[in-house]
Amino acid sequence: DSGVTQTPKHLITATGQRVTLRCSPRSGDLSVYWYQQSLDQGLQFLIQYYNGEERAKGNILERFSAQQFPDLHSELNLSSLELGDSALYFCASSPATYGYTFGSGTRLTVV
Amino acid sequence: KNEVEQSPQNLTAQEGEFITINCSYSVGISALHWLQQHPGGGIVSLFMLSSGKKKHGRLIATINIQEKHSSLHITASHPRDSAVYICAVTKSSGSARQLTFGSGTQLTVLP
Repeated sequence: DSGVTQTPKHLITATGQRVTLRCSPRSGDLSVYWYQQSLDQGLQFLIQYYNGEERAKGNILERFSAQQFPDLHSELNLSSLELGDSALYFCASSPATYGYTFGSGTRLTVV
Repeated sequence: KNEVEQSPQNLTAQEGEFITINCSYSVGISALHWLQQHPGGGIVSLFMLSSGKKKHGRLIATINIQEKHSSLHITASHPRDSAVYICAVTKSSGSARQLTFGSGTQLTVLP
C-alpha cells in the first residue's frame, strides 16, 4: 500500500456517461496530481491541486474537471465520455519536497 | 520531438545480466525520476535525482546534468525485475512540479 488510495480500481461505462474518480493522498501531502495513461499517448499530466487550489493544468479536456476538498482528497470528473477516454487514470501525491507517491490507478473502459 | 527520450523501447535479458536503460532530456530540469510499472499497472517511484548517483539494492541511477542524460542500471537481473521502467522529469521552468514522461522501456528478464 503506497498510502495513496484511488477508487474505484475498475470502471466500465457507456459513451456519453459521466464518472467520478476519487483519490486520497498520502497523509500530510498537500499536492495531488492527476495523470492519464493511454496506449497511444503514454502518460500525460492532466491537472495539479495544492491545498485545495488548482496549481497547474496540462492536457486536460474541457469535458474533464477536478477539485480538491478541505480534507485534501481529490476527485476527477469525466463527462460526455468517448471511447478514446478509455485509459488508466493515476493520482499521485507529493509533500513539499519533490518526491512522488502514486496510487494504483483507476482503469476506465468506455464501451 | 519528445522532451524525454528513452532507449531501448524493449529489452530482453537473461537472469543475472547487467542491464542499462538510458534517458535523455532536452529541457531544463529540477529533478529526474525513475519509475517502475508492473503488469498490474501500479507505478512505483524508484529514484529521484538532481545530481550524481543513487543506489538502492541492485538498482543504480546516475545523472549527468551537463549532458542531459541519465541511466538506470540493474545488477544481477532477476525475472521479478520484469516491468516497464519510465524516466520522467520535473521541469525547472515555472512553479508547478508535474512530471513529463518518457515512453518507457519494457524489460523482460528470462530465467
